[in-house]
Amino acid sequence: KQEVTQIPAALSVPEGENLVLNCSFTDSAIYNLQWFRQDPGKGLTSLLLIQSSQREQTSGRLNASLDKSSGRSTLYIAASQPGDSATYLCAVCEYSGGGADGLTFGKGTHLIIQP
Amino acid sequence: DVKVTQSSRYLVKRTGEKVFLECVQDMDHENMFWYRQDPGLGLRLIYFSYDVKMKEKGDIPEGYSVSREKKERFSLILESASTNQTSMYLCASSSQDRAYEQYFGPGTRLTVT
Repeated sequence: KQEVTQIPAALSVPEGENLVLNCSFTDSAIYNLQWFRQDPGKGLTSLLLIQSSQREQTSGRLNASLDKSSGRSTLYIAASQPGDSATYLCAVCEYSGGGADGLTFGKGTHLIIQP
Repeated sequence: DVKVTQSSRYLVKRTGEKVFLECVQDMDHENMFWYRQDPGLGLRLIYFSYDVKMKEKGDIPEGYSVSREKKERFSLILESASTNQTSMYLCASSSQDRAYEQYFGPGTRLTVT
């Protein structure tokens, strides 16, 4: 059964720092990996999707990498801002005969950017 | 932009009531999903559907059922609500055309008293 782990569970850094969030998964036979952001009491916002054949994806100040063989992904946030404060979730998607299965989530990294 | 809407943001029900949570997506996605989110346990998959009238059990289907009569709508049903079903419920959809990227609704916070 797939398990997803995110380290650290919480992180507090001063504004302007670059930071890295880590995600690992136990079964490398994934179809894709998604990084989400969740603000308190809200739904999930998709940040980046990396397909299994890709190594990285970039969107603005965010860069996500994927090393499928070692079961690892990282989310790099450049020049952090207080508005980046949120919980960041990593999730993997596996594929069965009927189509893409549901996501398996890590428990998230709670990020606080201090002004 | 993909839009996933859920019928209620907050819902309070009594133990034993039948509860319907509705989810609608506007992008003609073939796949739809229901998750619940609990502190310390994270997000867990309840049920999902590849197409109309199809359903698949996720990791925690006990106490729930689903209905998908139209492609855009996926309903989660609590046949007899219990206090341990108090949770945040999140709906999502995805499509092969978009590499199965999942898009989430705003969530329904359900309290069962």
